[in-house]
Amino acid sequence: ELKVEQNPLFLSMQEGKNYTIYCNYSTTSDRLYWYRQDPGKSLESLFVLLSNGAVKQEGRLMASLDTKARLSTLHITAAVHDLSATYFCAPSGTYKYIFGTGTRLKVLA
Amino acid sequence: ETGVTQSPTHLIKTRGQQVTLRCSSQSGHNTVSWYQQALGQGPQFIFQYYREEENGRGNFPPRFSGLQFPNYSSELNVNALELDDSALYLCASSAADRSRGEAFFGQGTRLTVV
Repeated sequence: ELKVEQNPLFLSMQEGKNYTIYCNYSTTSDRLYWYRQDPGKSLESLFVLLSNGAVKQEGRLMASLDTKARLSTLHITAAVHDLSATYFCAPSGTYKYIFGTGTRLKVLA
Repeated sequence: ETGVTQSPTHLIKTRGQQVTLRCSSQSGHNTVSWYQQALGQGPQFIFQYYREEENGRGNFPPRFSGLQFPNYSSELNVNALELDDSALYLCASSAADRSRGEAFFGQGTRLTVV
């Protein structure tokens, strides 16, 4: 069964700083998704990574996928307070997404 | 806004009761999946429906059941509610062809079992 591990689980960072969230998964998956969740809210799609070496960027967030290492990263550049949320990676199984435990990010002014 | 709507948004039930949650999928999507998200955890897959049939199931007991209707909307039914069923229940709609993109989630139903 596909298992997903994210680290760190909690991240408190200053505005303007850079940091990377890591997502490791246990078995082969042909695609991986990143979602954002604000407290009490639903999941917002951020990135869809479809192949080995895929890199996507949106604003201050950049996601990459290494299927051989079974690793995806979400890099935050020059963090701002609005990025405070919980971030989930989700490799895709045959018909379902397997979510990690999430990384709770807090950006301090 | 994703176009996926769930109702109700909040619900309080007593242990042992039954509950039905509803989901309307996004236009053009014919597959609906349900997830349970306990507080502080990631969403856990319950089951998926495609063409009105269950297409896959996670590690949930039979008292969790579902339906999909011809218009692709869906229901999640939970019988004999337990305290541990308290969670945010998320519905996700997607196209059957995964190459057509990711799943979009509704705003969720917050279920509290007392």
